[in-house]
Amino acid sequence: KNQVEQSPQSLIILEGKNCTLQCNYTVSPFSNLRWYKQDTGRGPVSLTIMTFSENTKSNGRYTATLDADTKQSSLHITASQLSDSASYICVVILSGGYQKVTFGTGTKLQVIP
Amino acid sequence: DVKVTQSSRYLVKRTGEKVFLECVQDMDHENMFWYRQDPGLGLRLIYFSYDVKMKEKGDIPEGYSVSREKKERFSLILESASTNQTSMYLCASSFLAAYEQYFGPGTRLTVT
Repeated sequence: KNQVEQSPQSLIILEGKNCTLQCNYTVSPFSNLRWYKQDTGRGPVSLTIMTFSENTKSNGRYTATLDADTKQSSLHITASQLSDSASYICVVILSGGYQKVTFGTGTKLQVIP
Repeated sequence: DVKVTQSSRYLVKRTGEKVFLECVQDMDHENMFWYRQDPGLGLRLIYFSYDVKMKEKGDIPEGYSVSREKKERFSLILESASTNQTSMYLCASSFLAAYEQYFGPGTRLTVT
């Protein structure tokens, strides 16, 4: 069982609408959490990075939230654009020693006109 | 801007061939990583390196080896390619392990 679960697996929304992607994790001890965007056929690119003491981080139309108590994070996309069509990957980094990185399986978002 | 480049975007090899995938980063990063990405499984770490000539096994090292002779270059080697190694291979680098990882564009390898 993956220790970083993302939902939904895929999502189709109309251009201009908002959407929220979810990430639940069970790994610990937690150091920080990142959201990456991966366009088709490309490598992932970082959107946000949050430590356990941060509960919100924004990057333009992307806003990530973190609840370290419930081990949940969400990525909210506002006023979606066609260029937002991509996979969004939640990544949890553990603290201590070599900081192990655990990737979620991603949410594939398609924005349609 | 950090740049991570990979030697090929697409590669087709036959079963049993020895395959080399090369990755180069230009930001003097200490850490470099090799992942494979398969549908429904996400990114899985094959090997990583935290210094020249140093390497550590990731979660799925079987069937792979790596080489890091220079700080900027990290090579992934498939000693005898098999069809179950058909996948997207992604290289990444970071300054320290917990810092942001910068990814290359990926190599889509098909083993027939």
